[in-house]
Amino acid sequence: GNSVTQMEGPVTLSEEAFLTINCTYTATGYPSLFWYVQYPGEGLQLLLKATKADDKGSNKGFEATYRKETTSFHLEKGSVQVSDSAVYFCALSPEWGNTPLVFGKGTRLSVIA
Amino acid sequence: EAQVTQNPRYLITVTGKKLTVTCSQNMNHEYMSWYRQDPGLGLRQIYYSMNVEVTDKGDVPEGYKVSRKEKRNFPLILESPSPNQTSLYFCASSLRAGRSEGEAFFGQGTRLTVV
Repeated sequence: GNSVTQMEGPVTLSEEAFLTINCTYTATGYPSLFWYVQYPGEGLQLLLKATKADDKGSNKGFEATYRKETTSFHLEKGSVQVSDSAVYFCALSPEWGNTPLVFGKGTRLSVIA
Repeated sequence: EAQVTQNPRYLITVTGKKLTVTCSQNMNHEYMSWYRQDPGLGLRQIYYSMNVEVTDKGDVPEGYKVSRKEKRNFPLILESPSPNQTSLYFCASSLRAGRSEGEAFFGQGTRLTVV
């Protein structure tokens, strides 16, 4: 079946540090891939997405590249800020059928000044 | 403004007392779903709906009911809540399910405590 595995948290970084949150997936065909972010006390919101192999999604300084050969979609940011503290979810939407999003378990990021 | 609205945001109730959490979207989306979020377990889907009058079980449907009489509304009903249903609940909608339409919009969440 379809599944998403992302690195366990929590992740604690100092401001301006480089961020990587690993995400790998299992799915047949070419799913669409997403990163969602959940700020404290809020619902999830879409951060970025990629719909085909080698696509790079980007938003707010975050990037992720759809790697079909390694079935990965790692989230990166060159210089994190305190305001990036949140929970990050990797998700996929299967290529076929009317099936819902599959989420990873989330990674909590804390950025300290 | 495009949004998914859930109510209430916070709710404390007693075991066995029926409750409903409302969810409404203003984007004419076909697909709506309910999730619960628990520490260490991430998001788990409770129920989903492909369109009006079409609902189906997600991963953890026990103890919950839903209905989809109108396209915009998708209430979550707990007929007899129990303490193990204490959780943070999210409603979400997307244009439709499937690969290219997978982007979901989430409500602000409802924190439910059952004592």
